Amino acid sequence: ELKVEQNPLFLSMQEEKNYTIYCNYSTTSDRLYWYRQDPGKSLESLFVLLSNGAVKQEGRLMASLDTKARLSTLHITAAVHDLSATYFCAVDRVTQGGSEKLVFGKGMKLTVNP
Amino acid sequence: EAGVTQSPTHLIKTRGQQVTLRCSPISGHTSVYWYQQALGLGLQFLLWYDEGEERNRGNFPPRFSGRQFPNYSSELNVNALELEDSALYLCASSRGLAGGRFQFFGPGTRLTVL
Repeated sequence: ELKVEQNPLFLSMQEEKNYTIYCNYSTTSDRLYWYRQDPGKSLESLFVLLSNGAVKQEGRLMASLDTKARLSTLHITAAVHDLSATYFCAVDRVTQGGSEKLVFGKGMKLTVNP
Repeated sequence: EAGVTQSPTHLIKTRGQQVTLRCSPISGHTSVYWYQQALGLGLQFLLWYDEGEERNRGNFPPRFSGRQFPNYSSELNVNALELEDSALYLCASSRGLAGGRFQFFGPGTRLTVL
């Protein structure tokens, strides 16, 4: 059974600081995703990582994937208050018909303090 | 390009009632997915429809059902509502092909069961 674990689950950090959050998954997966969710809102797509060593960056966020370790990291650089949200990683398997389903981690609630 | 749309945005029902939630995918997307985000339980996969057929189902009782129409829109039906069905129900769509395609999420329907 595919399982996804995130840590930490809660993070309070100061602006301008850097931090890395982790996402482990239990079995081979085809794709790894990072989503952002603001309170009461839906999920916003951030990154999809397809292969070992993949690295993607958008603004202050950078995601990477190590398929051998079954680990993805999301690195936050010089945090700002607007990054406060819950961040989910998710993995899926792809069949001939497409993505079967997404299996999500519990999410990491990030609070960036001035 | 219009995103995934869901209706209604909010819904209040009482135990034992039935509810129907609706989802319209992004134009060109043939796959529709339903997820439940209940407090404390995280995001859990409910159903996947593609080309009008149910392709995969999560660990939910049979009173959760749905269908996909020829225009690829979808309905999620929940019968005999229970208090623990209170959650945010998210619909997502994708092209149904392999190759890094995101599941794009709709704004969700918040269901409260009293």
